[in-house]
Amino acid sequence: SAVISQKPSRDICQRGTSLTIQCQVDSQVTMMFWYRQQPGQSLTLIATANQGSEATYESGFVIDKFPISRPNLTFSTLTVSNLSPEDSSIYLCSVETGRQGQYFGPGTRLTVT
Amino acid sequence: SQQGEEDPQALSIQEGENATMNCSYKTSINNLQWYRQNSGRGLVHLILIRSNEREKHSGRLRVTLDTSKKSSSLLITASRAADTASYFCATDAGDDKIIFGKGTRLHILP
Repeated sequence: SAVISQKPSRDICQRGTSLTIQCQVDSQVTMMFWYRQQPGQSLTLIATANQGSEATYESGFVIDKFPISRPNLTFSTLTVSNLSPEDSSIYLCSVETGRQGQYFGPGTRLTVT
Repeated sequence: SQQGEEDPQALSIQEGENATMNCSYKTSINNLQWYRQNSGRGLVHLILIRSNEREKHSGRLRVTLDTSKKSSSLLITASRAADTASYFCATDAGDDKIIFGKGTRLHILP
């Protein structure tokens, strides 16, 4: 399994600002993913981030709103831009480990006021 | 797109009893994974079961997979208060992307 950390664990932001979330893995992985979990809901995939290529976004998510970086095989960032109260959610990164499945970070709880 | 649907949406049982949650999905899968999420926290990976497997065990957890019925079940035996959480199934959607169901909220009563 992989050990995944996220920073920050939580934040309160004002509308119109941006928040960048960091995801660090303790081993090199090819595929990393970013998910959003709105209050009381399940997880929705935002995008797939592979090192050396542009992130691939799911329907309903766009790069201008959720820019992603993947500078190396152990690190990725997700920025949530131009925040509105509807962006209040838990944001989680995950990594695909192959035979053992997909493992998740502890999440970042974002509240937009 | 394929998606797991858990059943029931919520379940309350007495401590010590067994809890069973079910997951149904729509299309063929490579594997199915079960996760636990304690309130507002990250997901804990419980078990991955592949399409050519029918049953897997891990401690007090037992997972079955019936590809003919496109369904899976998660059994937690001898439940404990610490098992109170939301449980999600997730099916692979190709390219290692996984799609989550809506989850079952399990509450263990003392």
